[in-house]
Amino acid sequence: SYDLTQPLSVSVSPGQTASISCSGDDLGYKHVSWYQQKPGQSPVLVIYQDSKRPAGIPERFSGSNSGTTATLTISGTQALDEGYYYCQAWGSGTEAVFGTGTKVTVL
Amino acid sequence: EVQLVESGGSLVQPGGSLRLSCEVSGITFDNYAMHWVRQPPGKGLEWVSGINWNSGNIGYADSVKGRFTISRDNVDDFLYLEMNNLRIEDTAFYYCARDQAAEFFYYGLDVWGPGTKVTVS
Repeated sequence: SYDLTQPLSVSVSPGQTASISCSGDDLGYKHVSWYQQKPGQSPVLVIYQDSKRPAGIPERFSGSNSGTTATLTISGTQALDEGYYYCQAWGSGTEAVFGTGTKVTVL
Repeated sequence: EVQLVESGGSLVQPGGSLRLSCEVSGITFDNYAMHWVRQPPGKGLEWVSGINWNSGNIGYADSVKGRFTISRDNVDDFLYLEMNNLRIEDTAFYYCARDQAAEFFYYGLDVWGPGTKVTVS
């Protein structure tokens, strides 16, 4: 099966930049999406196809993907950006895979 | 407004069966692939199954293959998940989610329901 690995946690000061990595074999050849999930809520898509933002997602969210690592970057992080973030890609065939998840704390 | 509303979650014994439903409104349902994603208590997201717009392409996670069946009704705009031979490790919140496209593999899941709770005990 295909695995995506993320750091357990990332801490960032308000106004600073948070970077969350997502690693997997040949990940750069796949389309990566990112989701934000706050406690008690359903996930929200924040990035798709590596770097595209859905309507309504702030410009401070950006993404990149190359080699074996995809990265979600939150610029000018705000307190409301706290939560869990999950990457997602498609494995072989028709199987979708989520990353292990990263807890973002804004200190 | 797009709405996805799951139902059918409950407490069931190991080895039992359950059928989850997801009622979809506010969109042209057969323009989109659909998915089921689950989240065990206190844990991360796990993709369960996906189905393309016309049911011609279906995928399952290895953990549910042979036990779960996804289907859709493009007349009444419903997505279903038939779950058989349930195990304790199937305990989770189950979300219905819309793909951004009619075929999956290329885009993300951009609309999610509030979820329904399945407890196997």
